[in-house]
Amino acid sequence: ETGVTQTPRHLVMGMTNKKSLKCEQHLGHNAMYWYKQSAKKPLELMFVYNFKEQTENNSVPSRFSPECPNSSHLFLHLHTLQPEDSALYLCASSQDIDRAWEKLFFGSGTQLSVL
Amino acid sequence: AQSVTQLGSHVSVSEGALVLLRCNYSSSVPPYLFWYVQYPNQGLQLLLKYTSAATLVKGINGFEAEFKKSETSFHLTKPSAHMSDAAEYFCAVSKNSGNTPLVFGKGTRLSVIA
Repeated sequence: ETGVTQTPRHLVMGMTNKKSLKCEQHLGHNAMYWYKQSAKKPLELMFVYNFKEQTENNSVPSRFSPECPNSSHLFLHLHTLQPEDSALYLCASSQDIDRAWEKLFFGSGTQLSVL
Repeated sequence: AQSVTQLGSHVSVSEGALVLLRCNYSSSVPPYLFWYVQYPNQGLQLLLKYTSAATLVKGINGFEAEFKKSETSFHLTKPSAHMSDAAEYFCAVSKNSGNTPLVFGKGTRLSVIA
């Protein structure tokens, strides 16, 4: 148990659906991250939030929309996805972005399948 | 920009044999380097990190890694593999100023054969 909880664990959606991924941490951290893990590709950083403010968006398509209402919660809203978006989506947190090097705490991920 | 290259997407060793997972990095500034491990159906966990102190870094579960600037490498080793070491291992790099997100490699899947 890392202290970072992601729901749901598995999600199957059609290309016209709208769904949301949720991430929650009770570690008192101020930085939260979304990563995409696809087979045979490097872990891709998607978004970074530091003290609820988005500090990085790595050219992610607009069909992925993040939301960080407070330092403990992070959402990833999904709409009109493509089959190539199927992947494991990982949430992570750190004390703040300046201390990400100390340790990132990861959730178990949401395995997303887009049909 | 920082990047890492992990040589070999899959490594298979016998139980009790040496584990060697390779990682080479590219960085325009002195780096911080990391190894994370992902067990099945779990998120990534920090195994060990190099932050410009000792070049030989010891981590959890008997793993260690050596920072070699001349070779731009940070290979992960363990003298004797256990079945429980079977997992995906990720090398990562960030700037030594620390205020940049980690950049991960593609990962190496370690299989341990009884």
